[in-house]
Amino acid sequence: DTGVSQNPRHKITKRGQNVTFRCDPISEHNRLYWYRQTLGQGPEFLTYFQNEAQLEKSRLLSDRFSAERPKGSFSTLEIQRTEQGDSAMYLCASSPSDVLSVLQFFGPGTRLTVL
Amino acid sequence: GIQVEQSPPDLILQEGANSTLRCNFSDSVNNLQWFHQNPWGQLINLFYIPSGTKQNGRLSATTVATERYSLLYISSSQTTDSGVYFCAVGRQGKLIFGQGTELSVKP
Repeated sequence: DTGVSQNPRHKITKRGQNVTFRCDPISEHNRLYWYRQTLGQGPEFLTYFQNEAQLEKSRLLSDRFSAERPKGSFSTLEIQRTEQGDSAMYLCASSPSDVLSVLQFFGPGTRLTVL
Repeated sequence: GIQVEQSPPDLILQEGANSTLRCNFSDSVNNLQWFHQNPWGQLINLFYIPSGTKQNGRLSATTVATERYSLLYISSSQTTDSGVYFCAVGRQGKLIFGQGTELSVKP
């Protein structure tokens, strides 16, 4: 499968616990994006990387959230001290080049439930 | 920031009917994509269409960038077309999504 992959697909955790999600982009895509989608809403941008550099972070990304892409390939999104409001689908996307306007391909998402 | 509005929010069709979904955006963009989100949450690319017209089978899309809107046409709808359709616009990399149109096609 050459698409964007995300793991785990589902995560249930208790409030206050830390969670980490992984995204593997399409091979050789140098841009990687994270979005969050809550029930009944469209996805909202969180952050994106070009290679290993994190170029933009949304105001939605509080201090409890951190994203990394250490080798410019896969990325991780960590949420510390989870809250019930963090329950959402976390989507990862990648795009193939440095050009500003390019087609983004999305992974299947990680659905987080915070109890 | 750029605002994206989709209409209608909900649409119920009988199988075989045609439909038009609309996406309005508030500023110039250099990326516009239409997606279909399946029941499992996967966003499936339908069109990359910052301007012009494209067709893919029963689906077609038109974007008039100067007037800041895009239309998605679904002809001869099938029950498998059900789901949420999103328009997303981009400038400087990130995509900004509308609220979606939830389509239900009845047999």
